[in-house]
Amino acid sequence: DAGVTQSPTHLIKTRGQQVTLRCSPISGHKSVSWYQQVLGQGPQFIFQYYEKEERGRGNFPDRFSARQFPNYSSELNVNALLLGDSALYLCASSLQGIGYTFGSGTRLTVV
Amino acid sequence: EDQVTQSPEALRLQEGESSSLNCSYTVSGLRGLFWYRQDPGKGPEFLFTLYSAGEEKEKERLKATLTKKESFLHITAPKPEDSATYLCAVTQGGSEKLVFGKGTKLTVNP
Repeated sequence: DAGVTQSPTHLIKTRGQQVTLRCSPISGHKSVSWYQQVLGQGPQFIFQYYEKEERGRGNFPDRFSARQFPNYSSELNVNALLLGDSALYLCASSLQGIGYTFGSGTRLTVV
Repeated sequence: EDQVTQSPEALRLQEGESSSLNCSYTVSGLRGLFWYRQDPGKGPEFLFTLYSAGEEKEKERLKATLTKKESFLHITAPKPEDSATYLCAVTQGGSEKLVFGKGTKLTVNP
């Protein structure tokens, strides 16, 4: 059974560009959350979606947006990239809050 | 503000030298406390969920315990392959948002 899959695994972007990260949850999981992890820190919550509706949003600027599709996959979009957006972006899926399984992440580098 | 604090930040052990990692939390209405293991450049790997004070869970050389204000991850006779960063996180109330600590980086030398 496939776990949480994220794409791409690595990405290099220039300041000011836009990026889209993708996540496919574990089959049967309807909840998807996004986290940002900078080096040496714990993951920080960005968004949570359940049944295609936003259920929570962390303390991130409006440059960050996300959506969930009918098949429960999700995209995270970041506009007007800053150097400080360089991080590991993690997606987690859960079955109604019972256990959170993370993907391997997308390493975003902004130059 | 809800807070999760892990200590120590880093821990070096010799193979076979048992120790404990600490996670203290200040949240109202704890829903669950989670322990994850994270290898460099990888996503966190789920270890345990604890829901109420007094609860304990074990997996191989790891044992997690929970009190009203903190959790401990006990590592018995660790091996070099146990080297990783161990993350603690909590959820509260009706939220599924995980609030993480900064982690403890464990190194086990052979």
